Amino acid sequence: DAKTTQPTSMDCAEGRAANLPCNHSTISGNEYVYWYRQIHSQGPQYIIHGLKNNETNEMASLIITEDRKSSTLILPHATLRDTAVYYCIVSFFNRDDKIIFGKGTRLHILP
Amino acid sequence: EAQVTQNPRYLITVTGKKLTVTCSQNMNHEYMSWYRQDPGLGLRQIYYSMNVEVTDKGDVPEGYKVSRKEKRNFPLILESPSPNQTSLYFCASSLTRVGEQYFGPGTRLTVT
Repeated sequence: DAKTTQPTSMDCAEGRAANLPCNHSTISGNEYVYWYRQIHSQGPQYIIHGLKNNETNEMASLIITEDRKSSTLILPHATLRDTAVYYCIVSFFNRDDKIIFGKGTRLHILP
Repeated sequence: EAQVTQNPRYLITVTGKKLTVTCSQNMNHEYMSWYRQDPGLGLRQIYYSMNVEVTDKGDVPEGYKVSRKEKRNFPLILESPSPNQTSLYFCASSLTRVGEQYFGPGTRLTVT
């Protein structure tokens, strides 16, 4: 079973910030939070990852709560091209273990 | 250009006819894996490889084989395909085990 819980779908208006939540209440101290997205049936695309601190790159920001039991991916100015399924994954950085993607959140950007 | 390539992109075959889907990456990544994606089930990991000659089962390994004889190649083998293996398959590679994985374009397999 996936170690994360995400809403099945979300809507966001074009130009607004899209905030995608992820619950990972059983996360352990050495597990990272990763976010990927998949546009239609293309291969998934890496977005961002973090351990404890908030992270930002050219695509998005990742906010991790202090207790690390949940996180939020923020797309600051959503465009129609951000319509995709977004996956939150929790995993050890380099331990021999299965990677479980879960079902993700289908984000619809509305014009 | 850094990329993961898969071949073929589309394949229709019959039950029991052995097939191989190739995967190759040009980034000198140590970690490679195979996923299948089915409607309503999301992405599920089939097999992964931490390095040459090192492979291990993912979430749904039954009916599949893999090999890692060279760092750049990680073929997926279906010895006796069955209709329940009809799916969209993705190969991925990364420097480390999880992040930042680069995914191939996918192979859509239909077994009749």
